[in-house]
Amino acid sequence: ILNVEQSPQSLHVQEGDSTNFTCSFPSSNFYALHWYRWETAKSPEALFVMTLNGDEKKKGRISATLNTKEGYSYLYIKGSQPEDSATYLCALRSGYALNFGKGTSLLVTP
Amino acid sequence: DAGVIQSPRHEVTEMGQEVTLRCKPISGHNSLFWYRQTMMRGLELLIYFNNNVPIDDSGMPEDRFSAKMPNASFSTLKIQPSEPRDSAVYFCASSLVGGGTYEQYFGPGTRLTVT
Repeated sequence: ILNVEQSPQSLHVQEGDSTNFTCSFPSSNFYALHWYRWETAKSPEALFVMTLNGDEKKKGRISATLNTKEGYSYLYIKGSQPEDSATYLCALRSGYALNFGKGTSLLVTP
Repeated sequence: DAGVIQSPRHEVTEMGQEVTLRCKPISGHNSLFWYRQTMMRGLELLIYFNNNVPIDDSGMPEDRFSAKMPNASFSTLKIQPSEPRDSAVYFCASSLVGGGTYEQYFGPGTRLTVT
């Protein structure tokens, strides 16, 4: 099982702040890294899939990078909005299945 | 597409009773995953199927838990007998593996409370 660590566990920012959080992993022995966004009382939704060292993905104000050599991925949110409040999950895929971290819970207040 | 469908959305039962959770994956997907979400452990993979065949059930907590996928459009997760520590949200997800991104699409979850 690939160990996935996410930090911080929770984060509270003001509307308009930019923020980032980390997914770290001890080994690059996986096929892909996935980011999911999970709003309270809803189900996780896929944000990004990254496979190669140096990959960068962007969707609106949210972007992610992958560094397999140093064992981390960053998720960035530019100009946070209250609707960005959610838990952001990182997962590694080594076969068919995904191994999820425990997530970073983001709260954006007006 | 309606997405992944789970039923029931909420289930309250007494300890010792049998509980059956149901999942309909997205049409065309060939893999199905059952997860359990708790505060302590986060999102845990219980079991997954590929082409209706169980591939890895090492996450199933114990013999009280069983899962089946009789066809490509239906799966069940059964707990018998249920215990209070089984209280959690159970998610089903489906995916198209082999040639795609392997993104998993999650259902709305079933919130199980065992009293």
